[in-house]
Amino acid sequence: ELKVEQNPLFLSMQEGKNYTIYCNYSTTSDRLYWYRQDPGKSLESLFVLLSNGAVKQEGRLMASLDTKARLSTLHITAAVHDLSATYFCAVGAGSYQLTFGKGTKLSVIP
Amino acid sequence: DAMVIQNPRYQVTQFGKPVTLSCSQTLNHNVMYWYQQKSSQAPKLLFHYYDKDFNNEADTPDNFQSRRPNTSFCFLDIRSPGLGDAAMYLCATSREGREMNTEAFFGQGTRLTVV
Repeated sequence: ELKVEQNPLFLSMQEGKNYTIYCNYSTTSDRLYWYRQDPGKSLESLFVLLSNGAVKQEGRLMASLDTKARLSTLHITAAVHDLSATYFCAVGAGSYQLTFGKGTKLSVIP
Repeated sequence: DAMVIQNPRYQVTQFGKPVTLSCSQTLNHNVMYWYQQKSSQAPKLLFHYYDKDFNNEADTPDNFQSRRPNTSFCFLDIRSPGLGDAAMYLCATSREGREMNTEAFFGQGTRLTVV
């Protein structure tokens, strides 16, 4: 059974600071996704990572994938309040269904 | 333009009264999913259709059913909603096949309240 662990689950950070969210998974995967969710809203796709060493960047967010370590990271650079949200990683392993991590609730404070 | 559309956005139903949530897509994706997300939790897959083939998750209660009359539409039926079924219900679609797995696109969700 595929297990996906995110940490931290809660993150409070000051504006302008950098931080990394980690996503570990238990079995070989062929794809990994990062989603953002604002309170009461649906999931917004941020990144799709399909190969070892994949790195993608959008604004202040950068995601990477290390399939050998079964680890993905979401790095936040110079955080701003607008990034406050819950971030989920989701992993597909051998089938098209996704298993989600528990999410990281990020609060960026002035 | 919204590509995965869920209706209604908010649904209030009485305890035990059947309710249907709908999802439509303009992406012509062959797979449609229904997820349940309770407050502060990760989305949990209830079931999905791969084309016309229905696939139920082992721990999805019998109270939950689904219909997919055609490629574009999928419905979630809750036969006798209980208080514990109050949640956000998310519909998603993806195109799956031999060539590549694509990302899942999510609708805006339906927030179900049971009174």
